Amino acid sequence: NAGVTQTPKFRILKIGQSMTLQCAQDMNHNYMYWYRQDPGMGLKLIYYSVGAGITDKGEVPNGYNVSRSTTEDFPLRLELAAPSQTSVYFCASRPWTGGIDEQFFGPGTRLTVL
Amino acid sequence: QKEVEQNSGPLSVPEGAIASLNCTYSDRGSQSFFWYRQYSGKSPELIMSIYSNGDKEDGRFTAQLNKASQYVSLLIRDSQPSDSATYLCAALTNNDMRFGAGTRLTVKP
Repeated sequence: NAGVTQTPKFRILKIGQSMTLQCAQDMNHNYMYWYRQDPGMGLKLIYYSVGAGITDKGEVPNGYNVSRSTTEDFPLRLELAAPSQTSVYFCASRPWTGGIDEQFFGPGTRLTVL
Repeated sequence: QKEVEQNSGPLSVPEGAIASLNCTYSDRGSQSFFWYRQYSGKSPELIMSIYSNGDKEDGRFTAQLNKASQYVSLLIRDSQPSDSATYLCAALTNNDMRFGAGTRLTVKP
């Protein structure tokens, strides 16, 4: 299993550009999450999904959009990039077994908006 | 608000000492709690999870949960330089997982 994969690893955007951060998992997990992590800070939840076709907002959803058309993929869309969106973005997935279920993280995408 | 708070540190302990990391959470509906370790430039990795009041031990790590006080802690015994990292506390409320800002731990040889 590849686990959680994210592309690209690095990206530089100009103000006002748009892009999609890709996230995929091959573990058949129901739950998927997008976080951003600013330097020296913890993880802030942007959006999450409990299954295909179902998404919900987290703490900091403004400026982002998501979709979940399949169990495997959970892309994050940035429209009209702003310098405040410079951050490291982590995607994570979690199974649902009824117990304490660990989140598995992808390697992250480092985004700079200039 | 579903807030998770941690002392940002930095926390410095000598090798072989016990490191104590603390976390509080605001949502009484939170069901499960997690400690993640994050090395610089890397993604978080799970150290411990706990959902019942009391202590849970795994090797050199002990997680403690007190739901009445809304308090979670992590003890690292016999700290090693390789334990130097940022430790993130997380609380799961239904399907919503929230993280604290993290505590940076340095273990000095």
